[in-house]
Amino acid sequence: KAGVTQTPRYLIKTRGQQVTLSCSPISGHRSVSWYQQTPGQGLQFLFEYFSETQRNKGNFPGRFSGRQFSNSRSEMNVSTLELGDSALYLCASRRGSETQYFGPGTRLLVL
Amino acid sequence: QKEVEQDPGPLSVPEGAIVSLNCTYSNSAFQYFMWYRQYSRKGPELLMYTYSSGNKEDGRFTAQVDKSSKYISLFIRDSQPSDSATYLCAMKKGDFGNEKLTFGTGTRLTIIP
Repeated sequence: KAGVTQTPRYLIKTRGQQVTLSCSPISGHRSVSWYQQTPGQGLQFLFEYFSETQRNKGNFPGRFSGRQFSNSRSEMNVSTLELGDSALYLCASRRGSETQYFGPGTRLLVL
Repeated sequence: QKEVEQDPGPLSVPEGAIVSLNCTYSNSAFQYFMWYRQYSRKGPELLMYTYSSGNKEDGRFTAQVDKSSKYISLFIRDSQPSDSATYLCAMKKGDFGNEKLTFGTGTRLTIIP
């Protein structure tokens, strides 16, 4: 069974730009969560989507948003990029009450 | 104060040694506990998933949970160079529909051949 896939794997942007990251969950998984990983803060929860609805949200500014499509694929968007947004963005999927399985991440560098 | 505390290391041990990794937490609402392994430039990979206090064993790995002390551990027996990675503890609350994971900062482990 294919794992969680994320595209692109690497991205370089400049301050003020916006970016969209994509996540395809494991087949049959309807829940997708997003996390930001930085050396200083570790892994921090951004938000979770289930059946195209946001169910939980972390403590991030409104510049961070997401959505989920009917096929469970998810995108997250960051507008007006700041240097501090440089991070590894991880997507995780799960089915039901099972635990989460992570993708390889998208490494974003903001210059 | 962070809800989950984890010694960041780095931790270096010789091959074959027993490794002990630990996390403490402050929120008694955490009911489910996980250990993830993350290799460089990869996503976290689930190693162990536990709910109740006590020990859970899977091959060379043993997860231990002490809810009364708010303390969890991961033991690795007969450590191998391939175990060199960052180990992250994670936990979530028991309320239905809340799947947010709260992570420790991770411990970087190196097994020396």
